[in-house]
Amino acid sequence: DQQVKQNSPSLRVQEGRISILNCDYTNSMFDYFLWYKKYPAEGPTFLISISSIKDKNEDGRFTVFLNKSAKHLSLHIVPSQPGDSAVYFCAASARNFGNEKLTFGTGTRLTIIP
Amino acid sequence: NAGVTQTPKFQVLKTGQSMTLQCAQDMNHNSMYWYRQDPGMGLRLIYYSASEGTTDKGEVPNGYNVSRLNKREFSLRLESAAPSQTSVYFCASSTGAGQPQHFGDGTRLSIL
Repeated sequence: DQQVKQNSPSLRVQEGRISILNCDYTNSMFDYFLWYKKYPAEGPTFLISISSIKDKNEDGRFTVFLNKSAKHLSLHIVPSQPGDSAVYFCAASARNFGNEKLTFGTGTRLTIIP
Repeated sequence: NAGVTQTPKFQVLKTGQSMTLQCAQDMNHNSMYWYRQDPGMGLRLIYYSASEGTTDKGEVPNGYNVSRLNKREFSLRLESAAPSQTSVYFCASSTGAGQPQHFGDGTRLSIL
């Protein structure tokens, strides 16, 4: 049972435009969400997070939006740059329940076209 | 500024051989984790350790054992390797429950 789903395996976006990566979850106990970026032959790198008490968190070019009623979150990258080409994973945890575990989605490969 | 260091980076084993993957972090983190990443599957938690001296099973623990040797080190052991354990293994650490995890660069393990 995939509790965190990234339904788009890949996404191609022109340099300078907005990239929107989507993630859906099914577990109502999830209260903390994170996005990771992964380059080939490297480990995932933490990008941005959001708590369930918020609906938006922004850090430079990266903004994460959370829609709790729809159990949906999205990562916006504006403007997209060639260095953003990577695999992006969303992850979720039930932090307020003391749960150590992060549940990851299957990833979306973002390619920025020059 | 090493962060999380995994050794080895690559390994090829024969079915039935044993192997220990090593992980060390220098960030004074309490929690450490082992994941495997397979194509189309994302990262799946094998075992984790919330603090020195404690370990707990994750989503896919069968065929693995772990040891939290001290606060810095968390090792993963395959006692009798199987081809289904061919994967990329990542170690991670964090300050605690649900906090952002910092990952090593992975160990690519092939079992023939």
